[in-house]
This record gives sequence, structure tokens and C-alpha cells, in this order.
Amino acid sequence: DAGVTQSPTHLIKTRGQHVTLRCSPISGHKSVSWYQQVLGQGPQFIFQYYEKEERGRGNFPDRFSARQFPNYSSELNVNALLLGDSALYLCASSLLGTGTEAFFGQGTRLTVV
Amino acid sequence: EDQVTQSPEALRLQEGESSSLNCSYTVSGLRGLFWYRQDPGKGPEFLFTLYSAGEEKEKERLKATLTKKESFLHITAPKPEDSATYLCAAGDLSSGSARQLTFGSGTQLTVLP
Repeated sequence: DAGVTQSPTHLIKTRGQHVTLRCSPISGHKSVSWYQQVLGQGPQFIFQYYEKEERGRGNFPDRFSARQFPNYSSELNVNALLLGDSALYLCASSLLGTGTEAFFGQGTRLTVV
Repeated sequence: EDQVTQSPEALRLQEGESSSLNCSYTVSGLRGLFWYRQDPGKGPEFLFTLYSAGEEKEKERLKATLTKKESFLHITAPKPEDSATYLCAAGDLSSGSARQLTFGSGTQLTVLP
């Protein structure tokens, strides 16, 4: 079975640009969450979607947005990129919205120059 | 505010030298304590979920335990391939978003041959 897949794996963007990151969850999983991991730190929660509805949002500015599609795949959008947005962006899928293990993809490494 | 603190930040062991990693947490409505392994540049790999104090789980050379305030990851007779960053995360039900995981900063384990 395929795990969580994210695309692209690496991305270089210029300050002020916009970026879209994509995630396909494990087949049958209906919940997708997004995390940002800065080098040397643990992942930090950005969003959770379950059954195409936003169920949670972390402490991130409105430049960050996301959505979940009918096939449960998801996109994370970041507008007006800042140098500080450079990080590993992780997508995690879980079977349900609550109390089940979250499985992570390999991440998208975003570098803002 | 939910907090997860891991110690030590880094640990160097000789092959076969057993040790423990610590994860202390302050979460108002704990819904699972999760352990992940992360290799450089990769997404976290799920290891264990613990739900109640006194619970223990084992996988090969790893054993995770949970008390009301902390969790331990015991590594018995480690091998060089166990070298990785080990992340601890707490799931918080009280936030209303039970798939929001609060991560610690991780323990970077190096096992020398």
C-alpha cells in the first residue's frame, strides 16, 4: 500500500511569491494535517482537515491556507513568502479525526531566497 | 498552553549501551502520547501510541512507557542503525482538534559502532 505522498519534494521560491504544496493521504484515510518543521525543531501544527472541513488551525498567519478535496487529497498554500517560511512541510494522514495514529509523508523542503 | 519537553537534546551511545529518552508533557486533555523516529531530511516514522498511565509497548529494541506526566523510550542494546532523531508528541483533545499534535524538539541519538 502506498503511504502518504507529497509533492514536490524540493522547492526554491523567491520572497513575495506564492507556493502550493500537495498531499495524497493513505487510501481510506479521511483526515489530513499539515505541519511545519524548522531545522532542529519538532514539527509545528498548521492545519487539520477531516471530511473536507477545517477542524483545527495552529498559530500561523493568514498567509497560510489549505483545503481538502473530495478524494481527501489536500493542498497547502502560502502567499507572500518570507525567508522565515523556509522549512520542511509535512503532511500527515489518519483514519479518523480523533484518537488515531498519524502517518507522515516524506515532506516538501521549501527554501525561500 | 500545551508543552512537550524532551531530554536530553542529544545522546551518544556505544553499540550495545542501553539508555532511556525522556518526554515530559503538560496537556490539559491528553489524547494519546506518540513516539516517532525521524531520519535526516525525511518525514517522521510512527513508532508507538500510548493512551493511559502504566501502558507499555515494545518493538524490537525499543520500549515505550507512560506515566501521568512523562513518557520514556527505552533503547536496549542499540545498534548504529538506531541512530536518528526521536520525537515525542502529545495529542490534545481539549483543543477541539484531536489530531493536533504538540511535538517536542526531539532527541538526536547517535549509536557508535
